[in-house]
Amino acid sequence: DAGVTQSPTHLIKTRGQQVTLRCSPKSGHDTVSWYQQALGQGPQFIFQYYEEEERQRGNFPDRFSGHQFPNYSSELNVNALLLGDSALYLCASTYQGGRGTGELFFGEGSRLTVL
Amino acid sequence: GNSVTQMEGPVTLSEEAFLTINCTYTATGYPSLFWYVQYPGEGLQLLLKATKADDKGSNKGFEATYRKETTSFHLEKGSVQVSDSAVYFCALPLTTYNNDMRFGAGTRLTVKP
Repeated sequence: DAGVTQSPTHLIKTRGQQVTLRCSPKSGHDTVSWYQQALGQGPQFIFQYYEEEERQRGNFPDRFSGHQFPNYSSELNVNALLLGDSALYLCASTYQGGRGTGELFFGEGSRLTVL
Repeated sequence: GNSVTQMEGPVTLSEEAFLTINCTYTATGYPSLFWYVQYPGEGLQLLLKATKADDKGSNKGFEATYRKETTSFHLEKGSVQVSDSAVYFCALPLTTYNNDMRFGAGTRLTVKP
């Protein structure tokens, strides 16, 4: 049973560029969330996708956008990259029937470096 | 809004030492509380949880008790092993019946043989 998979593992971009990160949820999961983890900090919630719609959003600017596909996989897009966007981006999946259980399953993340 | 505060790290212990990592929370009502762990090269994973006051969550020898009087959820283990070296995060839900979390800053634990 594959867990949450993310790609790419590492990438380097320059300021002003755009980036797309991808995530496949754990088998059986229908909800995908994205988190940003700056070095030495805890993950911060960006947004959650369910039924191909953004359901909840954290305190992140509109430069951060996402998408969920019919197979439940998801993309995170960041436009007009800033140096401060350098971080580990984590994808987490769960299922709506498990709401309140705290059972979030995380991928290993995509490390983005903005130069 | 809901928030958690973790003790400053990093923490370095010898094998078989006793571990405590402090966590306090601020929340409306009494949300479930969680500890997640991030082993090197792996994704975060749920370590344990407690769903109501005075509950004790436990897993892999780790324990944490939900104390509403002190708004705390400290993580403890009686005898740590080298394999426990990881980053530990205290967390609580963003909203009720939501699995998305607000995480603490994390505490890095290194256990030396």
